[in-house]
Amino acid sequence: EAQVTQNPRYLITVTGKKLTVTCSQNMNHEYMSWYRQDPGLGLRQIYYSMNVEVTDKGDVPEGYKVSRKEKRNFPLILESPSPNQTSLYFCASTRGGLFVHEQYFGPGTRLTVT
Amino acid sequence: GENVEQHPSTLSVQEGDSAVIKCTYSDSASNYFPWYKQELGKRPQLIIDIRSNVGEKKDQRIAVTLNKTAKHFSLHITETQPEDSAVYFCAASPMEYGNKLVFGAGTILRVKS
Repeated sequence: EAQVTQNPRYLITVTGKKLTVTCSQNMNHEYMSWYRQDPGLGLRQIYYSMNVEVTDKGDVPEGYKVSRKEKRNFPLILESPSPNQTSLYFCASTRGGLFVHEQYFGPGTRLTVT
Repeated sequence: GENVEQHPSTLSVQEGDSAVIKCTYSDSASNYFPWYKQELGKRPQLIIDIRSNVGEKKDQRIAVTLNKTAKHFSLHITETQPEDSAVYFCAASPMEYGNKLVFGAGTILRVKS
């Protein structure tokens, strides 16, 4: 089954404690992105990757890091989480090519930073 | 950069009525406009999309219209049903960023039976 998976689904942590949210896709997609969803703000892109070892900032990258060492995986790293990073996070993937294609979203990770 | 505004933020309709959600975008180079539906506690899923070379697209009870001159696009749902209740997001893709999507703030649609 074609899918995007994320782990963990729920996470409560404390300020300053480094954490990683994993994302994996089995569709051989070139493009992967991380979004955060906050009430009244929609989905905002944090980082994206166009292929292995190619990443770039989205609209709200501050406080986050990513890496793309393998095509299927795109982890999101919070080196020193702060309460304003409490949010619902979605990973998404899409195939490459000349035209824009449908993005497939993971199930989401609800993060609470106290 | 691209900015997408979406209205209304909430919409309540009676079952069987039509619902219309409108979005405007700022970047005239944007060429792809998808609509995503997010049910409570679920992930966003694509329900319909339109490219800039097309003015209208329909899929059963759902249709999307695009006015490139005015830089706005709309989602139309006819004969609404309770299972249409969800949050709907519009998005626009700025051409220079490949697969980047800029989302609107979302519309909560409630269909009352």
